[in-house]
Amino acid sequence: KAGVTQTPRYLIKTRGQQVTLSCSPISGHRSVSWYQQTPGQGLQFLFEYFSETQRNKGNFPGRFSGRQFSNSRSEMNVSTLELGDSALYLCASSFGLGLGDEQFFGPGTRLTVL
Amino acid sequence: KNEVEQSPQNLTAQEGEFITINCSYSVGISALHWLQQHPGGGIVSLFMLSSGKKKHGRLIATINIQEKHSSLHITASHPRDSAVYICAVRPEKFYFGTGTSLTVIP
Repeated sequence: KAGVTQTPRYLIKTRGQQVTLSCSPISGHRSVSWYQQTPGQGLQFLFEYFSETQRNKGNFPGRFSGRQFSNSRSEMNVSTLELGDSALYLCASSFGLGLGDEQFFGPGTRLTVL
Repeated sequence: KNEVEQSPQNLTAQEGEFITINCSYSVGISALHWLQQHPGGGIVSLFMLSSGKKKHGRLIATINIQEKHSSLHITASHPRDSAVYICAVRPEKFYFGTGTSLTVIP
């Protein structure tokens, strides 16, 4: 069974631009979560989607948004990029939102904002 | 305020040593996760706990819900165990510890 895939793996943008990152979950998984990882703040939760609905959201500004499609694939968008948005963006998928649902992480997209 | 505190932040051990990483949390949780991250960024979920103890190979994870504390133990440590270990808890959303960087020297 193929794992979680994320595209692109690396991205370089300039301040003020916007970016869209994509995540394809493991086949059959309906929940996708997004995380930001930086050296200073560590791992932080961005949002979680299940069956095309955002179920939880972290403490990030409105420039960060996401969506999930009917095939469970998810995208996240960051508008008006700032230098501080440079980070590793990870997505993870799970079968559901239940207590027994293990999360499987993708390899991440490393975003550099210049 | 950090909802999840891990200790130690950095740990160096000789191959074969018994290792313990601690995690304390301040929020009510439905589950606690231990994650492993190797250089290059890939994260693997090691354990998900809501009570008691779990064992997988040389790794053991325990949780005490009343004390809001969990430990990850590695028995007979090996250089391939070198990684960052991250504790995460989930009430309604995930909160992460800052991670413990483990280096096992041959």
